[in-house]
Amino acid sequence: AQKVTQAQTEISVVEKEDVTLDCVYETRDTTYYLFWYKQPPSGELVFLIRRNSFDEQNEISGRYSWNFQKSTSSFNFTITASQVVDSAVYFCALSEAQRGSQGNLIFGKGTKLSVKP
Amino acid sequence: EAGVAQSPRYKIIEKRQSVAFWCNPISGHATLYWYQQILGQGPKLLIQFQNNGVVDDSQLPKDRFSAERLKGVDSTLKIQPAKLEDSAVYLCASSVGTGPQGYEQYFGPGTRLTVT
Repeated sequence: AQKVTQAQTEISVVEKEDVTLDCVYETRDTTYYLFWYKQPPSGELVFLIRRNSFDEQNEISGRYSWNFQKSTSSFNFTITASQVVDSAVYFCALSEAQRGSQGNLIFGKGTKLSVKP
Repeated sequence: EAGVAQSPRYKIIEKRQSVAFWCNPISGHATLYWYQQILGQGPKLLIQFQNNGVVDDSQLPKDRFSAERLKGVDSTLKIQPAKLEDSAVYLCASSVGTGPQGYEQYFGPGTRLTVT
């Protein structure tokens, strides 16, 4: 069965600290997609990244970076030099690509990040 | 480009009343999703449309929830009658297409429903 676990419920850091949000997934598929979304206090989920299971290269986008490791079924998200505007709930999600799949997203429970000035 | 629009943003009703939510997806997006997000949890898919057809409603409580997307553009989600446990944020999302490729979904601001 497919499942996404975000073990960290809440994280609090001081501005400029680096922070890593953990995501562990379970799937029987060999082809799947992983996503990260940000949900600021306004409530709207903002798409951050999509990775497929065949691309294990780490990705960097500004202060954001993602570490995908199939061996440990993890897709962790690091924010470097955190800022107050990074305060939000972050969700990791999984989409399986088996035959007949409609690409539905299975979300973790989210990690609430608070960045204090 | 305009994002996903939803209304109302907030709604308070008493249990056993009915309520309806509206969503207008990003122009040109064929796929529309309704999610329920209970406080402290991730969104859970209720129903997925491809144009005006339903492709997945396996988690929709059909005894009280209904949804339609008659012209393949905007959509309405209805709850009748509402229960206390329906208190949640109802999120609408859209994507260019659907299928195993895993398209990015773009979300609206949500409707926060409180059932008293």
